[in-house]
Formats: sequence, structure tokens, C-alpha cells
Amino acid sequence: SQQGEEDPQALSIQEGENATMNCSYKTSINNLQWYRQNSGRGLVHLILIRSNEREKHSGRLRVTLDTSKKSSSLLITASRAADTASYFCATSQTGANNLFFGTGTRLTVIP
Amino acid sequence: DGGITQSPKYLFRKEGQNVTLSCEQNLNHDAMYWYRQDPGQGLRLIYYSQIVNDFQKGDIAEGYSVSREKKESFPLTVTSAQKNPTAFYLCASSLERYNTEAFFGQGTRLTVV
Repeated sequence: SQQGEEDPQALSIQEGENATMNCSYKTSINNLQWYRQNSGRGLVHLILIRSNEREKHSGRLRVTLDTSKKSSSLLITASRAADTASYFCATSQTGANNLFFGTGTRLTVIP
Repeated sequence: DGGITQSPKYLFRKEGQNVTLSCEQNLNHDAMYWYRQDPGQGLRLIYYSQIVNDFQKGDIAEGYSVSREKKESFPLTVTSAQKNPTAFYLCASSLERYNTEAFFGQGTRLTVV
């Protein structure tokens, strides 16, 4: 499969804790993007990191990219109940006409 | 408000019928996409379009058709040739193909009855 793979598939934490999700992919990329999806809704873009970048921040989100290991991580700090959603990584791969999505991590934040 | 709008939200299809899902955007984006999402799976690309009057097949185009007569509109027809059409369909657009963020509609849930 050309899709990325998120790990873990499901994650349950207490409000206030940090949540870390990982994404691995198989080929060279132009960029890697993280999206959030609330149940039964469309996806919302969170952050884009280009292949020449190693880390990006946006509010409580921190994304890292390690192209040598073909992996990325999304850290959500000080989680809130409203962060409960599925999180997907998507890769724009060199030479491909597609944005490849992983199967997602289902995050549950318990109040 | 700027955004991407899909309609209807829920759609029921009888066996052997064609149905058309609407997708409209007022973001002035050139690129538009249709994805299919099945439970527990990621998104799979059905079709994409980079400019008006041009579109390309994605990974799972069989049983689907699209048109791009206007920049703002990218309707998807699910034909009777699609043997397992029950799924959640998502339309998206972006300023540049895959190099910038994609904006998604709220989705259409299609059920075969």
C-alpha cells in the first residue's frame, strides 16, 4: 500500500495530558499533512510540513518529520475533550498524482 | 462565507440507479478532488481535476464519473456499475495540487437500499 500508517489506531487519555500520534510512510515525499475529522464530518487541515522542514508548531500542535526514517509525529499538548476526533496523516509523494491518506488514529480525551 | 459545499448530506440509492453528488467551492481553487471513505479506512482517491474541462482517474475510478465544466463545480456520478457504492464521499479543493492544504466539504453519506 502507498498509504501512510498511523500508530496507534486508537488512543484514550485524560484531559490535560499530551497525545502523541505517529505516521510512517514508504516513499519520498514533497510534504506531509495532518488532518482532523470529527465523526461523520469532513476533514479539517491542521498543519503542513515540507520535506526540508524538521519541526513545525501551531498553537498546541507540534509536528516533527524525519525523512530518513520516513516518519512523522503529531503532538497535541494539554489536551481538551474537544480534541476528541480522528487524526489522519497524508503524504504528497514525489512523482505521484495523489495525496495518500493513512487509516487514522482515533483520539478520545476523557473529561 | 468562503468554503466548499457538498449536497445532499444523506442520499439513498436503489439498486441499478445512477446518482449524482454535488460539490461547489467559492475559494477560487483550481484543483478539486473526490474521495471515498469506508469505515475504519483512510480516504481513497476517486477522481481529481486540476483545471476546467480536465480530470484524471484516481485509484478507484471504476463505476464513477465526473465533469468539470465550471471552476466552481465538480459533480460526481455514482453509476450502476459501482458494485459497492455504500460509503462516505468527500469532496475537497486546493489552490495547488497537493502542495497546499486541502479544504474538505462536510461529506455525503450514500446508502444503497
